[in-house]
Amino acid sequence: AQSVAQPEDQVNVAEGNPLTVKCTYSVSGNPYLFWYVQYPNRGLQFLLKYITGDNLVKGSYGFEAEFNKSQTSFHLKKPSALVSDSALYFCAVRRWAAGGGNKLTFGTGTQLKVEL
Amino acid sequence: DAGVTQSPTHLIKTRGQHVTLRCSPISGHKSVSWYQQVLGQGPQFIFQYYEKEERGRGNFPDRFSARQFPNYSSELNVNALLLGDSALYLCASSLQLRGQRDTQYFGPGTRLTVL
Repeated sequence: AQSVAQPEDQVNVAEGNPLTVKCTYSVSGNPYLFWYVQYPNRGLQFLLKYITGDNLVKGSYGFEAEFNKSQTSFHLKKPSALVSDSALYFCAVRRWAAGGGNKLTFGTGTQLKVEL
Repeated sequence: DAGVTQSPTHLIKTRGQHVTLRCSPISGHKSVSWYQQVLGQGPQFIFQYYEKEERGRGNFPDRFSARQFPNYSSELNVNALLLGDSALYLCASSLQLRGQRDTQYFGPGTRLTVL
């Protein structure tokens, strides 16, 4: 079974400061990890993914994520937060399973609030 | 290029009724997946279809069913609606079924309210 934990329900940060949204995962074998963002009353927007290779992954809108295999973590980061980054962020792990498809398993989400 | 589209945007039903939700994938994408997102939770996997065949099923009752058409669009059907079925239903499309570098792209969702 695969699972994702996002330990913080909400993260508050001042505009211009760096932000980190935490994610840890549990999966057998090599993990395929994703970050998505959701704005109010909208679907999920893909930000970035880790499949293999460099542990630092760069994505959309200046976001990046660091894969740490020993700590089973995949934290989302941005050097300088914007008010427009305020949204709900989901970490997800993907793993193929016979009969289970190539499904994404999501965390519970972290609400990011960036204040002036 | 158009992204994943879903219809309708919003839907209100009463308990016991059935509902059909529709999804059109990104052009060229052959796999469609359905997720249920209850308020305050992350999306939960319902089905995955590829080349018109069911390739994965999540832990949902048989009241939930789906199909994929030759043009790769998909329908999700829910029978005998319960209050607990109220949720945002998300459709995602991807190029392949098991591509290592494949990414699922989501539509805007259908908000279902069951009264």
